[in-house]
This record gives sequence, C-alpha cells and structure tokens, in this order.
Amino acid sequence: AQSVTQLGSHVSVSEGALVLLRCNYSSSVPPYLFWYVQYPNQGLQLLLKYTSAATLVKGINGFEAEFKKSETSFHLTKPSAHMSDAAEYFCAVTDTGGFKTIFGAGTRLFVKA
Amino acid sequence: KAGVTQTPRYLIKTRGQQVTLSCSPISGHRSVSWYQQTPGQGLQFLFEYFSETQRNKGNFPGRFSGRQFSNSRSEMNVSTLELGDSALYLCASSNDGPRGGEQFFGPGTRLTVL
Repeated sequence: AQSVTQLGSHVSVSEGALVLLRCNYSSSVPPYLFWYVQYPNQGLQLLLKYTSAATLVKGINGFEAEFKKSETSFHLTKPSAHMSDAAEYFCAVTDTGGFKTIFGAGTRLFVKA
Repeated sequence: KAGVTQTPRYLIKTRGQQVTLSCSPISGHRSVSWYQQTPGQGLQFLFEYFSETQRNKGNFPGRFSGRQFSNSRSEMNVSTLELGDSALYLCASSNDGPRGGEQFFGPGTRLTVL
C-alpha cells in the first residue's frame, strides 16, 4: 500500500527565507503526487501536481516541487517566504487504482517577520 | 463556476444520534470523495463516488455510509455517533476521480459530538 511521509510537523522560517517542506512516498510504480495547502478554517487548495510529464513542477504562489524517483521524494520549495504562506501543507499520492488519495500528516509552516 | 459547497458548516450532536452531511460538487464533476480530518489522525479517506457508484472505500466502520445522486450531489451519514467522530469532514470533487486529476475541496463541515 502506498504511503506518504512528511518530515517535520512544524517548520518555521523567516520572511524572505527559503521554504523547504519534505515529502517522501513509497510506491512501486510512478505515482501521481500532489501538494495541497490548507488555511485556517478552510478546505484544501491544490498547489501543484506531478503526473509524470516533468520532474520539476511549478505551482501557484511561487511554489515548486521536484520529483526524484531515485529518492522517492517530492519536496516542496519556495525561494522567498511571505507571511501569507503561513498555513498547513499536505503532500498526497493517489493509490494504484487511482480512486483514493492518501495524505501525509501535514506540515505547519510558520513565517516570522 | 461555483465551488464545492458543504452544508451545514457546523453541527453539534450528542452521542448516539445520527447525522447527515451534504456536498454539492462543482458543476460537471462526477466524482465526489469524502475525508475525515482530525488533529490526531490527519486526513483520512472515507469513500469516493462516481456516477452514483461507490468506487473505493476507506477503513471506517459501517456506521459511516454515503451515497451520490444523479445530479452528483453526495451525502454522507454517520449513525450512532461517538465522541471520536468529532472532526472536520471534507468533500472534494473532480472530473473523473483522484488519479491525475485535481480535486477541489469544499470548506468542510465541522462536527462536534458531545
């Protein structure tokens, strides 16, 4: 069964600093991978998705992620953090059948002024 | 296009009662998935419906059930509520399901069981 591991339940960065949120997946076949963001009292919003077209995926709000099959990783980065980036971020993978999405435990990002 | 709507947004019930939550997907979307979100367990998949058929189900007891109507609106029902059912219930819609496709999430229904 596929699983997703997000390293670090909390990450704190200063405004303007690099954001790096880590995600590792376990899968025997190339998966569909996603990053979602959740702001307080809201549902999830898709940041970006990997569907095997390109290993470097650009998303909304300046975020991007790189798919590395050899490392089974899909880390999320943003060159310069803004206060508005403070939220919870979820890495997710679809199962082999494609009808179920498995989410990581989430990483809460704090941005300090 | 209107987004995914969920009603009600907040609900308070007592143990032993039952509850029905509603989800209206984005117009044209045929797949609706339901998730339970709690601080301890995170986001857990409940079930996914496509054209009125349940295609996949998570590891939840039979007290959790759902259905989808011909207009793609979906409901989920929880019977004999337990304290541990307190959670944010999210639904998500997409064109053809989670695989490869973006899921659009509603704001959720916050259920509190007393």
